[in-house]
Amino acid sequence: EPEVTQTPSHQVTQMGQEVILRCVPISNHLYFYWYRQILGQKVEFLVSFYNNEISEKSEIFDDQFSVERPDGSNFTLKIRSTKLEDSAMYFCASSEDGNTEAFFGQGTRLTVV
Amino acid sequence: GIQVEQSPPDLILQEGANSTLRCNFSDSVNNLQWFHQNPWGQLINLFYIPSGTKQNGRLSATTVATERYSLLYISSSQTTDSGVYFCAVDRTLYGNNRLAFGKGNQVVVIP
Repeated sequence: EPEVTQTPSHQVTQMGQEVILRCVPISNHLYFYWYRQILGQKVEFLVSFYNNEISEKSEIFDDQFSVERPDGSNFTLKIRSTKLEDSAMYFCASSEDGNTEAFFGQGTRLTVV
Repeated sequence: GIQVEQSPPDLILQEGANSTLRCNFSDSVNNLQWFHQNPWGQLINLFYIPSGTKQNGRLSATTVATERYSLLYISSSQTTDSGVYFCAVDRTLYGNNRLAFGKGNQVVVIP
């Protein structure tokens, strides 16, 4: 069964460093998303991406964040200068179109020290 | 934005028991999904159910869109059912999913 895959599963980084989280969405899906879950809290929407551009972003998705689809399969989230409060589980998701079921990857646990 | 309330927040079950989890939402929706977050943090898709009833093994779900709620039924619970169950909704008709999640139902199944 097709699935969304994320790498790495866990990343530890120093405060102020840049990190890139990687995702391979399901191959025939056209919409891609990033969500975040701070430990013990609910999952929050960060950004959606369609047709090689951001289609919607939340207030959390500020200038330190960026997304990119560098080739035909990968979808990345870059955090430019990490802060302690960026520590969270980051989920990538994809859907066939904007209104159908979204499928989530297994997550990347980011720890900023 | 749309509000999602899940109840009960915490539930302890004896193995073999049945349970019902509830999700209320504040506006009409075009997408509703139930997820199970396992102890490793993975979000597992359970149901895509903006309306109607679906069953998958021991789990079933019903969404009554006109009354703005959805129910997830767990029958004959097993210890592997432990984890957090999330309801997530989106009201966008055209465009991209922007799922709003509830705070979850923390379920512990004891042997």
